[in-house]
Amino acid sequence: EVQVVESGGGLVQPGGSLRLSCASTGFTFSSYWMTWVRQAPGKGLEWVANINQDVSAKYYVDSVKGRFTISRDNAKNSLYLQMNSLRAEDTAVYYCAKVGYFGWNFDYWGQGTLVTVSS
Amino acid sequence: QSVLTQPPSASGTPGQRVTISCSGSSSNIGSNTVNWYQQVPGTAPKLLIYYNNQRPSGVPDRFSDSKSGTSASLAISGLQSEDEADYYCAAWDDSLNGVVFGGGTKLTVL
Repeated sequence: EVQVVESGGGLVQPGGSLRLSCASTGFTFSSYWMTWVRQAPGKGLEWVANINQDVSAKYYVDSVKGRFTISRDNAKNSLYLQMNSLRAEDTAVYYCAKVGYFGWNFDYWGQGTLVTVSS
Repeated sequence: QSVLTQPPSASGTPGQRVTISCSGSSSNIGSNTVNWYQQVPGTAPKLLIYYNNQRPSGVPDRFSDSKSGTSASLAISGLQSEDEADYYCAAWDDSLNGVVFGGGTKLTVL
């Protein structure tokens, strides 16, 4: 059974940093793109970043470029999101998801981890 | 303001057929496949439809999608109370080099 489980969320002050982790099981992690998607309270889904299998390609939404870094460790079947210079507008539930083979679909999602940026 | 445009709400009675539209542009829907997600409030999103009307295992064939030019639609036939949820469309955008989502449509089963 495919499972992705996020961790690392919490309360952080504006300007602070946080590192999210996503542990994956049930599939060959090293064979798939992975992604982070976030959802602000009461709002819709927003794609944050993608990373390919061998870390040679990464894509980010404009609003996090230069502040967030997506990475992965295939030996540990884990995905990460390093978030620096956090702003109030980064407050959201952050979801990790596996990217399917066709058409950039996100076929398995974690339960999400809440990041709150507030003083 | 989302790149893909969806109506904020839709509704129907049990057994009815409802459609949810998703409007984009030539750089996203016009040149890439559309995916649809269902999210019951308080839970994680779930992939509903992907890559030209494909359904993951377990998704009933009451759900289908279509695309024409820069617009797509999700159709739900034989509406059931358990279909009450938020629905999102998404697609890769060649200009933005990223995935874009619609703002979501809240479906109410009356």
